[in-house]
Amino acid sequence: DVKVTQSSRYLVKRTGEKVFLECVQDMDHENMFWYRQDPGLGLRLIYFSYDVKMKEKGDIPEGYSVSREKKERFSLILESASTNQTSMYLCASSFSGWGNQPQHFGDGTRLSIL
Amino acid sequence: DQQVKQNSPSLSVQEGRISILNCDYTNSMFDYFLWYKKYPAEGPTFLISISSIKDKNEDGRFTVFLNKSAKHLSLHIVPSQPGDSAVYFCAASGNAGNNRKLIWGLGTSLAVNP
Repeated sequence: DVKVTQSSRYLVKRTGEKVFLECVQDMDHENMFWYRQDPGLGLRLIYFSYDVKMKEKGDIPEGYSVSREKKERFSLILESASTNQTSMYLCASSFSGWGNQPQHFGDGTRLSIL
Repeated sequence: DQQVKQNSPSLSVQEGRISILNCDYTNSMFDYFLWYKKYPAEGPTFLISISSIKDKNEDGRFTVFLNKSAKHLSLHIVPSQPGDSAVYFCAASGNAGNNRKLIWGLGTSLAVNP
């Protein structure tokens, strides 16, 4: 079974802090994704990566950056956390290709910015 | 503007009966459709998919129907079980350019009553 592991289930940070969310997958997937999920807004794509050191902006990249130094690890960085970044963050991975490859998700990190 | 719409935010069904979850889309370039299931405090789990060259795909109790002319797909669960109670997301993608990203609906919360 594919395992996507997010480093924290719950995280509380202060406004202005630099926040790191880590994600590791164990299936040698080429693609990795970061989403946020908010009530009434569904899943929104922040960034994705289709190879090591490669990244592309999703629909809502503002205020975020990402890092993919190794194939199995994809990090989401909140450069200066703000209260509107309080959300559920979901990491996913898939084989190369696009919609025809199901994405496998971690259990999410619920991030609160105070 | 939402390209993938799940117009019913919630659905309640008796155990043993059929559950039908609906999804409409607007982009004719979509050619791959997926259903995901999400339990509280967990990430979405891939359930079943269908390519635009088919009109039906079946996997055990789950069947997805695609009507391309109506830009409509539906997920049938027969028979419904209490463990099926979850939020169901419809997602779609194309094969080129910006259409490669998965576009998600807002979800339908299914409650299967014993």
